[in-house]
Amino acid sequence: EAQVTQNPRYLITVTGKKLTVTCSQNMNHEYMSWYRQDPGLGLRQIYYSMNVEVTDKGDVPEGYKVSRKEKRNFPLILESPSPNQTSLYFCASSPTGVDTDTQYFGPGTRLTVL
Amino acid sequence: DAKTTQPNSMESNEEEPVHLPCNHSTISGTDYIHWYRQLPSQGPEYVIHGLTSNVNNRMASLAIAEDRKSSTLILHRATLRDAAVYYCILRDVSAGGTSYGKLTFGQGTILTVHP
Repeated sequence: EAQVTQNPRYLITVTGKKLTVTCSQNMNHEYMSWYRQDPGLGLRQIYYSMNVEVTDKGDVPEGYKVSRKEKRNFPLILESPSPNQTSLYFCASSPTGVDTDTQYFGPGTRLTVL
Repeated sequence: DAKTTQPNSMESNEEEPVHLPCNHSTISGTDYIHWYRQLPSQGPEYVIHGLTSNVNNRMASLAIAEDRKSSTLILHRATLRDAAVYYCILRDVSAGGTSYGKLTFGQGTILTVHP
């Protein structure tokens, strides 16, 4: 089944403790992206990757890192999480970055930083 | 980027048609109209998209006004599973576009379906 998977689905952590949220897609997509969703602010893009080893900042990149060493994986790294990064995170992928492409979203990761 | 305006919420009864409107008066000639929806506790999912002509797929129909300043997503027979937030999104496909694949989500329309 074609899908985007994220792990973990739920995570509670404490301020400053490094964490990684994994994202993987099995559709051989070139483009991958991370969004966060907050009440009243909607979904906002954090980082995106047009292909392997090519990443760039979205609208809200502060406090996050990403890497794209393989086509299928696009992990989101929080080196020193803070409470304002408590949010619902979604990974997405599409065949390319072309704006007619359909984007496929993962199920989400709910992160709480205490 | 051209913006969209949608009603905050709409209600429907099960098995009745639903027409979800979207206004985009500043749309440019290279903007595609996309619709995504987000079911409770799930990630957004693609519904349909179009440029000028009306479009149909297994999920819905998209009716685009002749001047392209508005569009309507049509669910022909709403089911309880269609209860979701529906987002109308414009995506610029011009060579100079700088969205780099980003979807810009607004607040969307919360659709409630009554049994």
